[in-house]
Amino acid sequence: ETGVTQTPRHLVMGMTNKKSLKCEQHLGHNAMYWYKQSAKKPLELMFVYSLEERVENNSVPSRFSPECPNSSHLFLHLHTLQPEDSALYLCASSQEGRGDSPLHFGNGTRLTVT
Amino acid sequence: ELKVEQNPLFLSMQEGKNYTIYCNYSTTSDRLYWYRQDPGKSLESLFVLLSNGAVKQEGRLMASLDTKARLSTLHITAAVHDLSATYFCAVVSYSGAGSYQLTFGKGTKLSVIP
Repeated sequence: ETGVTQTPRHLVMGMTNKKSLKCEQHLGHNAMYWYKQSAKKPLELMFVYSLEERVENNSVPSRFSPECPNSSHLFLHLHTLQPEDSALYLCASSQEGRGDSPLHFGNGTRLTVT
Repeated sequence: ELKVEQNPLFLSMQEGKNYTIYCNYSTTSDRLYWYRQDPGKSLESLFVLLSNGAVKQEGRLMASLDTKARLSTLHITAAVHDLSATYFCAVVSYSGAGSYQLTFGKGTKLSVIP
C-alpha cells in the first residue's frame, strides 16, 4: 500500500462521544499534519508533527488531541465535539528538509457531529 | 499573518477556451504549491514553484511564480471537461521554531462546459 491512508472515511458522532481518526503514511516522510476543511473556508492547519514532535498548534480547541507515536502514524482524538466541528479532516505528510517536497494528502475523514 | 487570496473563486468556462487563475499572497515567500481537488476526493499536488520566475507546465496547465509581485498564476489552455475541479494555491511561511506551514487560498472551483 502506498501514499497516505486515513480511517475511517466517514464518521458520525454525538457531542458526548469519544472517537479517534487514524492516519498512516507509507512514503517514508518525516513530517505529518492535520488539516480541517470546512465548507466555504480555506484549509486550516491544525497540527504539525516533525520527527514525531509537535511543532505547530494553531490554537486548536482542546477537544482535539493529536498523537504521533512514530513517523508513520498520526491520530486525532476527539471528545465532546460541537456541531461546528463537522468538516473534512485531512491528514498529510511531507519530507522536511527537501525544498521541493509538497504535502501528500490522504482522502480525508468526513466527520459529522450531531 | 500570511493571507492568500485566489480569484476567481468560481469559474465556468467553455471547452477549448483559455483562462488564468490568480493567487496573491501578503508576505514574502519563495515557495508555492498548486493543488487540485476533485469532489469527494483528496488534494493532489500539481506544481511546486520554488523561485522567482519559476514556470512549470503539465499538459494544459501552466503555473508561474513572481515573488516580487507576490503573485502566482495557473493558466489553462484549451480547457477540457476533465479539468473540472477545485484548484488551490498554498504558500509557505516559516515559523520561529524553524518549521514551516502552508497557508491555502479558498480555492477556485472550475467547471468546464461543452
